[in-house]
Amino acid sequence: QKEVEQNSGPLSVPEGAIASLNCTYSDRGSQSFFWYRQYSGKSPELIMFIYSNGDKEDGRFTAQLNKASQYVSLLIRDSQPSDSATYLCAVNIYGNNRLAFGKGNQVVVIP
Amino acid sequence: GAVVSQHPSRVICKSGTSVKIECRSLDFQATTMFWYRQFPKKSLMLMATSNEGSKATYEQGVEKDKFLINHASLTLSTLTVTSAHPEDSSFYICSGRRSGRSGVEQFFGPGTRLTVL
Repeated sequence: QKEVEQNSGPLSVPEGAIASLNCTYSDRGSQSFFWYRQYSGKSPELIMFIYSNGDKEDGRFTAQLNKASQYVSLLIRDSQPSDSATYLCAVNIYGNNRLAFGKGNQVVVIP
Repeated sequence: GAVVSQHPSRVICKSGTSVKIECRSLDFQATTMFWYRQFPKKSLMLMATSNEGSKATYEQGVEKDKFLINHASLTLSTLTVTSAHPEDSSFYICSGRRSGRSGVEQFFGPGTRLTVL
């Protein structure tokens, strides 16, 4: 089982809609969870982190964490064409000083 | 967020030459830096973990003699691709680890696009 899984394929959403991304992780002892955004040809950019169960909101982004079910999600409200990118989920594996990354989910916001 | 710079941003070289890429944390001290490579439309692949003042830890399948890593200070790590070949052409990205509220935060440099002719 992979450490971090992002299984859904490219996500197309109309402008103004909500984009929802999910991520599951295997290590129950994981403490910190991150979402990165990567535009084509660019490096990843940290947009959110969460370490407590529940929701965390930052502008149009909301991260949701459920440690019991071992998943973390990202919601993008009022999606804009500029949100079109690949979103990477990352998890700090317990006892490890590095982040484990999912393979990413591509989001395409259609004007 | 914290700022990580990389230099050069783009390099084109002939096969057989060596290329050095610098990664600097500009506004924080990075005791640990990571080097990744990414092929077009593929996932990030961790190459090695670099700790200041000690030898780098390489991921399985990454040749340590080909990808030389030096982490001489808390703000600088370098990756040297020795005797580069066309198959080494890729997007190389470094990141610095900063301890924060979240426990572990990683901030990425802008990347270096290497093309080996």
